[in-house]
Amino acid sequence: RKEVEQDPGPFNVPEGATVAFNCTYSNSASQSFFWYRQDCRKEPKLLMSVYSSGNEDGRFTAQLNRASQYISLLIRDSKLSDSATYLCVVNSNRGSTLGRLYFGRGTQLTVWP
Amino acid sequence: DAGITQSPRHKVTETGTPVTLRCHQTENHRYMYWYRQDPGHGLRLIHYSYGVKDTDKGEVSDGYSVSRSKTEDFLLTLESATSSQTSVYFCAISESTPGATEAFFGQGTRLTVV
Repeated sequence: RKEVEQDPGPFNVPEGATVAFNCTYSNSASQSFFWYRQDCRKEPKLLMSVYSSGNEDGRFTAQLNRASQYISLLIRDSKLSDSATYLCVVNSNRGSTLGRLYFGRGTQLTVWP
Repeated sequence: DAGITQSPRHKVTETGTPVTLRCHQTENHRYMYWYRQDPGHGLRLIHYSYGVKDTDKGEVSDGYSVSRSKTEDFLLTLESATSSQTSVYFCAISESTPGATEAFFGQGTRLTVV
């Protein structure tokens, strides 16, 4: 079983749409959670961290459910510039997996005019 | 942008030759990682380091070795390159704290083994 499973998409949505991505992780020792964004032929870059209470950054909302080991990302009012691949990432900060980063395969989003 | 550079950025090599990729950071971060990214697989961890001379294997370490003799440099060596190692290789760095630890990535190295 992969450490991080992610809805692969692709998602093709019109501008202004709301879209949600999901991700599950298998290691209950995971302590830190993130969403990264990767543009075509570029390196991944941090979009936002995911906190236990949920957090929002402008049009982006991230949720964490530790009991279900589930992470989500909601994008409201999609823009053309949101077109990218979104990577779910978990980081274990304890035990034998200390320091490891695990990535999902990514969900590809295309926003069309 | 975080101070992390990879070299070379592009390389074509022949099967059976050794290849070394370099990752250099100026952030003094403790953790350094090497990933490969292939279509259909996403980012897969090859090796990582949690300090000078402290390294550990990731999920796809066969055929690769690493060395970290200085905090700022993390080298990835393909001992005898094979076509299956054609990929995009990313180096990443992060601090280790009990809380959230963002990882910063280099721009990647496109390696083609012919």
